[in-house]
Amino acid sequence: GNSVTQMEGPVTLSEEAFLTINCTYTATGYPSLFWYVQYPGEGLQLLLKATKADDKGSNKGFEATYRKETTSFHLEKGSVQVSDSAVYFCALSEYGGSQGNLIFGKGTKLSVKP
Amino acid sequence: GAGVSQSPRYKVTKRGQDVALRCDPISGHVSLYWYRQALGQGPEFLTYFNYEAQQDKSGLPNDRFSAERPEGSISTLTIQRTEQRDSAMYRCASSLGGGSSGNTIYFGEGSWLTVV
Repeated sequence: GNSVTQMEGPVTLSEEAFLTINCTYTATGYPSLFWYVQYPGEGLQLLLKATKADDKGSNKGFEATYRKETTSFHLEKGSVQVSDSAVYFCALSEYGGSQGNLIFGKGTKLSVKP
Repeated sequence: GAGVSQSPRYKVTKRGQDVALRCDPISGHVSLYWYRQALGQGPEFLTYFNYEAQQDKSGLPNDRFSAERPEGSISTLTIQRTEQRDSAMYRCASSLGGGSSGNTIYFGEGSWLTVV
C-alpha cells in the first residue's frame, strides 16, 4: 500500500542553520505530495505542495521538489528561525483522489535555538 | 466560522462509556474529514463526507466508530464502548470541495481523548 517515511526527530538547529527533513514515499500511480506544519498549540497547516514530478513547492522560505526517480519530497530551508520550531509532516494523496484522503508520515519535530 | 472548530478540546472518559466529538467546519466547505492521531504518529484517515453523504469510511477501525453529518455542516464522530486504545487526538478538517487535488484542506486544533 501507499506509505510515507520521514526522518525521525527531534531535530535541533541553531538559528540561521540550513534545514533538511527527508521524506520518501511509496505509491501506485501519481500522487500529490504535501508538507504540513503544526506550530505549538495550533492545528495542522498546509505548508506547501506539489502535484506532479519535478514540481517545486515553496512557502515561507521552505522548498520541496517532487522527485519521481528517487520517490522523494525533501523539505529544505536555507536559514531557519526560532519561529520555525514546530512539527513537520510529509503526506501524499493518490492521483485523482480527494486531497483529504491523505497518508501522513510520523512527523519530525524541529527545535530552533537562538 | 473563521476556522474549523472542534469540541471538546479535551475529554477524559471511563472505559466503556460512549463519547461524541463535534466538528464545525469552515462555512461553505462541502467536504469534511476525520483523522485520528496517536502520540508520536502522523494523522490517520478515518472517514469523509461530501455534504451530508459519507463518501468513504474505510479508515474507521471497527463498528464502535461512526460519524454523521446530517445537514451537511456540523459533524459528530461517535465512539461507543470506549477502550483505552481509543486514546488519541481526533482531528477534523474541511475543504471547499472533494474530488480535486487542488483543494486545500484546513484542519482544526483537534480533540484529545483519554480513556481511563
